[in-house]
Amino acid sequence: EPEVTQTPSHQVTQMGQEVILRCVPISNHLYFYWYRQILGQKVEFLVSFYNNEISEKSEIFDDQFSVERPDGSNFTLKIRSTKLEDSAMYFCASSGTSGSWVGEQFFGPGTRLTVL
Amino acid sequence: AQSVTQPDIHITVSEGASLELRCNYSYGATPYLFWYVQSPGQGLQLLLKYFSGDTLVQGIKGFEAEFKRSQSSFNLRKPSVHWSDAAEYFCAVGAAAGNNRKLIWGLGTSLAVNP
Repeated sequence: EPEVTQTPSHQVTQMGQEVILRCVPISNHLYFYWYRQILGQKVEFLVSFYNNEISEKSEIFDDQFSVERPDGSNFTLKIRSTKLEDSAMYFCASSGTSGSWVGEQFFGPGTRLTVL
Repeated sequence: AQSVTQPDIHITVSEGASLELRCNYSYGATPYLFWYVQSPGQGLQLLLKYFSGDTLVQGIKGFEAEFKRSQSSFNLRKPSVHWSDAAEYFCAVGAAAGNNRKLIWGLGTSLAVNP
C-alpha cells in the first residue's frame, strides 16, 4: 500500500542552524502539506502546496520557512535559522489524485525536531 | 473562528467496554470531518471521514462516528474497546471546496485501556 515517508525520523540541531526535513508523498498525489505538533499541543497547519506553488500558509510559516518540490518525488521543508520554539514533531501529508476529491490526507510518520 | 474542541483530554476504559470520544467544531463553511488515530511513535492514521449523506459513518477497526449538524458535533464511538485501541485520537475539520485543504485539529484525546 502506498505511504508517505519522512526522513530523518529524529533531527537534533543547534539554535540558528538550518534544517531540511524531507518527505516523499504518495506518488500520484497532487497536494502536499506540512503540519507540526509541539509536545502536548494540537497539530497545527503550516503550509499547503499545489501545482508547484504554495496555496496557503499559516501565520507560523514566516520567512524562516520554505518548501520545495525539487524533483518529482520529494517535498522538503526548510527552516533557515532554527529557534528553540521550532522543536516539534513535523508531519508531511499528501492528498488528491487527478479527478478525485482531495480532502483525505495521508500522513507520514513524522520527523521529531529538537533544537538545542 | 474555525476551531475543533475535544473536551476530554484523557479517558480510561476497561477492555470490552463501550467508548465515545467527543468532538465539537466551529466552522464557517461546509465542513468535512475526520477522526485520526496516532499510536505511540507512529504517524496519523485516518479512522473515518464524513463528507455528506448518511450522518453515521463507519470506519476502520470497528469505529463509527455520527455527524450532528444541530450540535456541531462529530463524536467517535466503538461498542467494545480492545487493548490495542490505546492511542491518541484527533478530530479534525477541513474545507469542502477550493485548493486550500488545511485541516484544523482538536487537542486530542488520549485513550488508555485497562485489561
